[in-house]
Amino acid sequence: NAGVTQTPKFRILKIGQSMTLQCTQDMNHNYMYWYRQDPGMGLKLIYYSVGAGITDKGEVPNGYNVSRSTTEDFPLRLELAAPSQTSVYFCASSYEGPGPNYGYTFGSGTRLTVV
Amino acid sequence: ELKVEQNPLFLSMQEGKNYTIYCNYSTTSDRLYWYRQDPGKSLESLFVLLSNGAVKQEGRLMASLDTKARLSTLHITAAVHDLSATYFCAVDTPYTGNQFYFGTGTSLTVIP
Repeated sequence: NAGVTQTPKFRILKIGQSMTLQCTQDMNHNYMYWYRQDPGMGLKLIYYSVGAGITDKGEVPNGYNVSRSTTEDFPLRLELAAPSQTSVYFCASSYEGPGPNYGYTFGSGTRLTVV
Repeated sequence: ELKVEQNPLFLSMQEGKNYTIYCNYSTTSDRLYWYRQDPGKSLESLFVLLSNGAVKQEGRLMASLDTKARLSTLHITAAVHDLSATYFCAVDTPYTGNQFYFGTGTSLTVIP
């Protein structure tokens, strides 16, 4: 059981470049999330999805886009990379949203540096 | 905006000692979560607390929730080196949709 798989694990981008962070889960979870974690800080929600075809903004969505064409996949797109987007990105999933038995399952993270 | 504050931010303690990490949050909620993160690793769920007075224990860690005070505590008993990690609390409410709001984390180092 793979859980939540993120790729790549590390990436260096130049300012203005674009990239897609991939996230796949095999637990048939309806809810998926993208968070970023800046050094020494907690996690902030970028975007989330409650099911295929449905996405919504979180706390810090500017500079990012997402899509959810299948239950399994929830890619995060950076169109014009900026140094402020240097961070560690975590994808997470849960079955019915935050609740008693369904806390988040996190991926291993993508460490992104924009230079 | 829901705010979640943890203290202390950094904690260095000797093996065998006891200590408590505090998590305060700014709005009404009866759903609080504790996570552990090892350096360079992802977050691992520790506890889910869902009602006032809820207490959960796993090994040397015990978490509790006081919804009236908007406070959760994570108590460490007789610390061992393996507990060295960063601990995060997170809160969600029916009013914040599906968002968890995370504290800034407490970096714990247990010294032999």
